[in-house]
Amino acid sequence: DPKIIQKPKYLVAVTGSEKILICEQYLGHNAMYWYRQSAKKPLEFMFSYSYQKLMDNQTASSRFQPQSSKKNHLDLQITALKPDDSATYFCASSHNGLGVNQDTQYFGPGTRLLVL
Amino acid sequence: GDSVTQTEGPVTVSESESLIINCTYSATSIAYPNLFWYVRYPGEGLQLLLKVITAGQKGSSRGFEATYNKETTSFHLQKASVQESDSAVYYCALVITGYQNFYFGKGTSLTVIP
Repeated sequence: DPKIIQKPKYLVAVTGSEKILICEQYLGHNAMYWYRQSAKKPLEFMFSYSYQKLMDNQTASSRFQPQSSKKNHLDLQITALKPDDSATYFCASSHNGLGVNQDTQYFGPGTRLLVL
Repeated sequence: GDSVTQTEGPVTVSESESLIINCTYSATSIAYPNLFWYVRYPGEGLQLLLKVITAGQKGSSRGFEATYNKETTSFHLQKASVQESDSAVYYCALVITGYQNFYFGKGTSLTVIP
């Protein structure tokens, strides 16, 4: 059974619209993350949450807003979508996420977003 | 800033041949980074292959090995004899001690020909 679920797998949106990417983890982890991978670029860290609190935000645009309704959920709301937002978005989780050394992150399968 | 550079793909090798995927890193923090190799098999998500947190040590998994070399700031991935099932995309990554944001390389696509 998948331990980190991301929905949807594929998403097509029009410029200017708003979408929510869903992430749920069933690993019992306390920290969750979002990464983005655009074409021909490495995965880029976006956000980290620990115990449902924002720990680090390295996304310049406020159009990207994480939402954590439960400890094992971290959704990503994207508003005013632009074609440059087209990418695969990966959710990840780890046990602690409180700056503890050796904390391995486990990744979901990703949501591939295409903005037309 | 902190970054990772790895072998540009795609890489194609024949089954039972040896493999090396180069990875070098740059870390601005005085704290040494923790180094990881992740792998994505076709149709699957990223998964941890191996990690090493101490300079000079070697990690190994599924026949793959990587040694953390702080002198050359490298963490090359090697396997003596690849199999077709090793076909995947391999990512080198680092995280600085005390932080949680990983820095990834662009990924190296490996195809093993039977």
